[in-house]
Order: sequence, then structure tokens, then C-alpha cells
Amino acid sequence: KAGVTQTPRYLIKTRGQQVTLSCSPISGHRSVSWYQQTPGQGLQFLFEYFSETQRNKGNFPGRFSGRQFSNSRSEMNVSTLELGDSALYLCASNEAGANIQYFGAGTRLSVL
Amino acid sequence: AQSVTQLGSHVSVSEGALVLLRCNYSSSVPPYLFWYVQYPNQGLQLLLKYTSAATLVKGINGFEAEFKKSETSFHLTKPSAHMSDAAEYFCAVSDRAGGSYIPTFGRGTSLIVHP
Repeated sequence: KAGVTQTPRYLIKTRGQQVTLSCSPISGHRSVSWYQQTPGQGLQFLFEYFSETQRNKGNFPGRFSGRQFSNSRSEMNVSTLELGDSALYLCASNEAGANIQYFGAGTRLSVL
Repeated sequence: AQSVTQLGSHVSVSEGALVLLRCNYSSSVPPYLFWYVQYPNQGLQLLLKYTSAATLVKGINGFEAEFKKSETSFHLTKPSAHMSDAAEYFCAVSDRAGGSYIPTFGRGTSLIVHP
């Protein structure tokens, strides 16, 4: 099976712009989670989607949003980008009810 | 609320020496515990997991971890370090909440291996 695929791998944006990141989970995995990784804050949970519904949400402002499609692919969107949004954004998928998450290689976002 | 503390943001060892990465957790219920490894410009890869079947857990690449409930610890060890082990290691804890297992990660420990 193919692993978790995240696109694009690298992005450069300027303050105030918006960005959309994409994640394709492992085939058969219906749960997709998103994380933000920064040197200062480490790995922080953004949100989880299951069957097209947001099931859990971390402590991030409303500028961060996501969605999941019927094929389990997920997107996350960040609007009105700030310098502090520069980070590695990781997507992870898991089978329904399973406690192991499988991670993609991430999208590195740089906000200038 | 669950939490994870990894002692030491950096650990430096010589090739062939013992690797010991420390992890202490806090959880109100019997936890699921994990160690993940992250190589540069890559995502996280599962090394091993503890799910109460056995206190000594063996993982990939020669790593193992021992669950000690009395010490709330889940330290990661490897008898002999290899240059290819240089990476960032994350300890994580999770429990079931509403059908999900969202892990809480420690801040990570960077393992440096000297020749």
C-alpha cells in the first residue's frame, strides 16, 4: 500500500495570503489528523477528521480549518497567514478504531 | 489530561555505545505509549508501541522500551548505536477519547551519534 502522501512538500507564502495543503491517507484509512511542528512548540495537534466530519480539534485559531472528502482525502487551509505560521505541517492517518497513526513526510510552509 | 516529558533535548553518544532516551508520562488511565523517530525532512515513523501486552516492547532497528508503571516511565534503549540512528525521537501517549486516539507528543530528543 502507498503511504500517506502530502502535497506540496514545500510552500513559500507572504503574510496575509492563504494556503491550502493536501493529504491523501493510506488506502482504507478513514481517520486523518493534522499537526503543526515548530522548533518552539514541538508537535501540536490541529484537528482530526473521520468520515468527512471533524471529530476532534486542537487549540488553534479559526484561521486554521480543514475538511475531508468522501474518498478520505483531506485538506487544511490557513487564512490570513502570519509569520508564526511557518512550520512543518504533518498529516497522519489511521484505521477506524486503531491507535497507531501513520505520518506523511509533511509540507514545509514558510511565511515571509 | 495526559502529558509526556522527555528528559534532554539532545543526547550525544559514540557509535557502538548504549543509547538511552528518557520518557515520563502522565495519564489518568492506563495509557498507550509510543516512540516515533523522525529523520531530516521526513515525517514520523513508528518505532514501537506499548499496549499493555508486555512491559518490555521490542521495536524496529534494534530499539526497545520498558514500561514501568511505578515510575511512569517508558525509556527507549538500544545496546549499540549506529550512525544511521541519528535522528529526532518522540515519545507519545494516547488514550481513547470519543473513538479517537489522539497522541500527545513530548518535545523530542535529538540523538547525535559520533564516529
